[in-house]
Amino acid sequence: DQQVKQNSPSLSVQEGRISILNCDYTNSMFDYFLWYKKYPAEGPTFLISISSIKDKNEDGRFTVFLNKSAKHLSLHIVPSQPGDSAVYFCAAIPAGTASKLTFGTGTRLQVTL
Amino acid sequence: GAVVSQHPSWVICKSGTSVKIECRSLDFQATTMFWYRQFPKQSLMLMATSNEGSKATYEQGVEKDKFLINHASLTLSTLTVTSAHPEDSSFYICSAYPTSGRVNEQFFGPGTRLTVL
Repeated sequence: DQQVKQNSPSLSVQEGRISILNCDYTNSMFDYFLWYKKYPAEGPTFLISISSIKDKNEDGRFTVFLNKSAKHLSLHIVPSQPGDSAVYFCAAIPAGTASKLTFGTGTRLQVTL
Repeated sequence: GAVVSQHPSWVICKSGTSVKIECRSLDFQATTMFWYRQFPKQSLMLMATSNEGSKATYEQGVEKDKFLINHASLTLSTLTVTSAHPEDSSFYICSAYPTSGRVNEQFFGPGTRLTVL
């Protein structure tokens, strides 16, 4: 039972354009969401997070949007750079379970020149 | 920034043998560490939560007698895959949660690629 889903396994975006990565979840107990970036044969690195009490969080080129009613979040990268090419995972934490992450299936982003 | 190391980075073993993977937090103390596994092109699946000084908590479907976890100190957790079989071949990743950390401060190790022949 995949509680966190990323329906697009891959995404290709031109350098300088916006990358939008989507994530859907089913568990209404999730109240904290994170995005991680992962290169092959490496562990994930934290990018940005958002609490369920917010609907937007911005950090430089990265913005995460949360739509609780739709159980949907998205990561926007503007402008996209070739170094952003990686696999992006969204993850969610249920209320009361500090740091116990449930990961999505990942989206491979390729930023082309 | 906080660094988590794993050793070995890759290992090949024969079916039936046991393999130990170490996860160390190098510059911080971690009361809690997590062990994940990732199959090719799939998500990271949480296997167990490792707590210093107490028994690990395993996720549903994970055999605790097969995947032995020991969290002997605030900087070291080990995962031992006992009597490994080819289906245990996977990428194992640990993460460490600083003792005084915030919820997004979970640092991941580089992973260990296990191949069982």
